[in-house]
Amino acid sequence: GAGVSQSPSNKVTEKGKDVELRCDPISGHTALYWYRQSLGQGLEFLIYFQGNSAPDKSGLPSDRFSAERTGGSVSTLTIQRTQQEDSAVYLCASSRGQLEAFFGQGTRLTVV
Amino acid sequence: AQSVTQPDIHITVSEGASLELRCNYSYGATPYLFWYVQSPGQGLQLLLKYFSGDTLVQGIKGFEAEFKRSQSSFNLRKPSVHWSDAAEYFCAVGAQGYSTLTFGKGTMLLVSP
Repeated sequence: GAGVSQSPSNKVTEKGKDVELRCDPISGHTALYWYRQSLGQGLEFLIYFQGNSAPDKSGLPSDRFSAERTGGSVSTLTIQRTQQEDSAVYLCASSRGQLEAFFGQGTRLTVV
Repeated sequence: AQSVTQPDIHITVSEGASLELRCNYSYGATPYLFWYVQSPGQGLQLLLKYFSGDTLVQGIKGFEAEFKRSQSSFNLRKPSVHWSDAAEYFCAVGAQGYSTLTFGKGTMLLVSP
């Protein structure tokens, strides 16, 4: 597609359940980022993939969070045993380089 | 560590008036600077960026920003605001060799008739 695609756009889950969020980056973009946006908190970096290099996981808030990127394209962010504080908008972005990131529309996660 | 401060949480501007959104950064090296805009329920759209060269950069939708190294600032301006500019604006800083952008907490722009 022409832009970064994220699915689902909205997800409501029960506390304690696992969720998977998907990101399909722009074709040809080697870098992929996940950010979390909480109300009034701006964007919080979670994880970064660049080509075949080991991902930068320094922003993941706990070991309940993990992400993978298959074939250098699609990425999945997994949150295990979700907690209410995980409720946020999860944004994915991709770039060809120079940090100029193009963002998807995000997945709004609500944990009830 | 990098940091970005957007001192104004909300700003209200009359339609047709000029706009300036403030951004200050803290960074040890030469920064790459960005402004993004987010409309409700949407992702972030890049307005403009500064990497090097001319310190006054032009972006989309009539926006411009000026990099002032001495003030560690990268303020966003528009001479005449339109109602469709109402949105949240984020300033971000990064650098070559670093894997991520650091974002400010955003400024919500409200446009009054």
